Amino acid sequence: DSGVTQTPKHLITATGQRVTLRCSPRSGDLSVYWYQQSLDQGLQFLIHYYNGEERAKGNILERFSAQQFPDLHSELNLSSLELGDSALYFCASSVALATTGELFFGEGSRLTVL
Amino acid sequence: GDSVTQMEGPVTLSEEAFLTINCTYTATGYPSLFWYVQYPGEGLQLLLKATKADDKGSNKGFEATYRKETTSFHLEKGSVQVSDSAVYFCALTRGRNYGGSQGNLIFGKGTKLSVKP
Repeated sequence: DSGVTQTPKHLITATGQRVTLRCSPRSGDLSVYWYQQSLDQGLQFLIHYYNGEERAKGNILERFSAQQFPDLHSELNLSSLELGDSALYFCASSVALATTGELFFGEGSRLTVL
Repeated sequence: GDSVTQMEGPVTLSEEAFLTINCTYTATGYPSLFWYVQYPGEGLQLLLKATKADDKGSNKGFEATYRKETTSFHLEKGSVQVSDSAVYFCALTRGRNYGGSQGNLIFGKGTKLSVKP
């Protein structure tokens, strides 16, 4: 158990809909990262938050947004969903802003868009 | 941009066989290199890391050496077990002198390993 909690574990929805994925980082971790894992693209970095502030953006679509709340949990919002958004979405956390690459991953939220 | 290339899978081995999973990278500056492992139904977890050239990372019988001259970080294990069956990801993150988010890892596409008894 990494200590990172993601909900829901599975989600099935229709095209055009909006969903919210939730992540609770390990106790004491200030950084939260979101990744998308798909068969064709592999693991893609989406966005990084540190202590409530956005620190870096990766390959995140404009239809997607995220935030980190004062209690440090984070939410990833996916809107106007398309079939191609079906993927496993991972949240990871680390203690500080500058890390040596040791991220602690949750078990992921599997999104299926029909 | 920075990238990681690792050998295509799946790799199927018999128990006690020798394992090598190749990984090469392209990066500016001085990246740190990692191997992460993903067991079925779980999230990724750090297996080993190396932060500078010629460093050797090791854990659970796995080893990888940071080779700057060949831009490689191949994963090896002398004798695999059925419990090593998983997907292995090579990754890098930029070094200390890079401004911006240093924690966002760039991953290879993963190599699935199956070990048969």
